[in-house]
Amino acid sequence: DIQMTQSPSTLSASVGDRVTITCRASQSISSWLAWYQQKPGKAPKLLIYKASSLESGVPSRFSGSGSGTEFTLTISSLQPDDFATYYCQQYNSYSLTFGGGTKVEIK
Amino acid sequence: EVQLVQSGAEVKKPGESLRISCKGSGYSFTSYWISWVRQMPGKGLEWMGRIDPSDSYTNYSPSFQGHVTISADKSISTAYLQWSSLKASDTAMYYCARLFGSSGRDAFDIWGQGTMVTVSS
Repeated sequence: DIQMTQSPSTLSASVGDRVTITCRASQSISSWLAWYQQKPGKAPKLLIYKASSLESGVPSRFSGSGSGTEFTLTISSLQPDDFATYYCQQYNSYSLTFGGGTKVEIK
Repeated sequence: EVQLVQSGAEVKKPGESLRISCKGSGYSFTSYWISWVRQMPGKGLEWMGRIDPSDSYTNYSPSFQGHVTISADKSISTAYLQWSSLKASDTAMYYCARLFGSSGRDAFDIWGQGTMVTVSS
């Protein structure tokens, strides 16, 4: 299986901050990467697919970049609704795998 | 509205069997693969396997192969996840999710609300 490693595991930030989360793949996955947001007690929500394509209805403050083995999710100006856990997921392989998650907390 | 609606929470004893369901609506159920994803308490997301509802072709993560069975009934637009003998370690939230494209290798664009399974003696 392709291993996905996210960093940091926890991030403390304030409203208005620019936030960057990194996801690294154990082998090249081209641009076959998605990002999700999950709030407590809720199902995950798709934010970004194909590394940088914004899902319909997702605010433009979210952006994704990268290819190969290194990817980033950036929130340009953190809003109160953005405090959540974020996961990356690769779909280069038919055995799909997620990163371990990054919890974005209020500083 | 495109949605996946899952069956309700379950409390079971070790050794019991269980089947939970995921009903799709608002789209052509046979045009998209369905996957199941496990989330143990306080932990991350784990992909379990996928099914093509058009022909019930399935494949599983190596971590879950042989421990669960995924099936579907396209006549009622419903996918299932079942266990023949539950263990305490199966306690988790289980999500069904629709795969974005038709290849079976994609992102998850629609998620069910989750089914909490608790296994305790």
